[in-house]
Amino acid sequence: DADVTQTPRNRITKTGKRIMLECSQTKGHDRMYWYRQDPGLGLQLIYYSFDVKDINKGEISDGYSVSRQAQAKFSLSLESAIPNQTALYFCATQEGVGSPLHFGNGTRLTVT
Amino acid sequence: GQNIDQPTEMTATEGAIVQINCTYQTSGFNGLFWYQQHAGEAPTFLSYNVLDGLEEKGRFSSFLSRSKGYSYLLLKELQMKDSASYHCAVTKNTDKLIFGTGTRLQVFP
Repeated sequence: DADVTQTPRNRITKTGKRIMLECSQTKGHDRMYWYRQDPGLGLQLIYYSFDVKDINKGEISDGYSVSRQAQAKFSLSLESAIPNQTALYFCATQEGVGSPLHFGNGTRLTVT
Repeated sequence: GQNIDQPTEMTATEGAIVQINCTYQTSGFNGLFWYQQHAGEAPTFLSYNVLDGLEEKGRFSSFLSRSKGYSYLLLKELQMKDSASYHCAVTKNTDKLIFGTGTRLQVFP
């Protein structure tokens, strides 16, 4: 079983719809991240959380929101999806500073 | 700010050596990671440098110069399976991890 699980793996939605991407982990890590990757580009940080009561904006948080429901769960929402949010979204966990990120398998989102 | 720059694309021949450079500008630097990502897959951890010098792991080595804001990933004895994107990522203080633009490496026979 995967340590970091993202659902759904693929999603097609229409402009203006609200959508939630979910991430759950069994690694017991406090730190969790959401990244976005556009084709052929690097990973851009959307939001990150260092514990259940801690939520921080990343480089590209506009149009997104997050919820840290528990240590194991970190959800990303698009309140009103737009086509330029079409991308591959990755969730990751981290044990602490200097520890490597552990990534989920990604969610491929298409907004039409 | 945190500008992290890498070449966009590189090509190399099977069996050769390739060096992928990463330059960064950030205050409160606290370590640099290298990740490998095959097309359509999640990134996987390769190396972590926090002190100046060279870290070697089999065919892969990573170098860091904190004073120059510079790192490189060295891949030796290239194999076809090394065709992938390589990302450097920087940690600032105890804060978030920021990725560079990524370098797409193509290895040819």
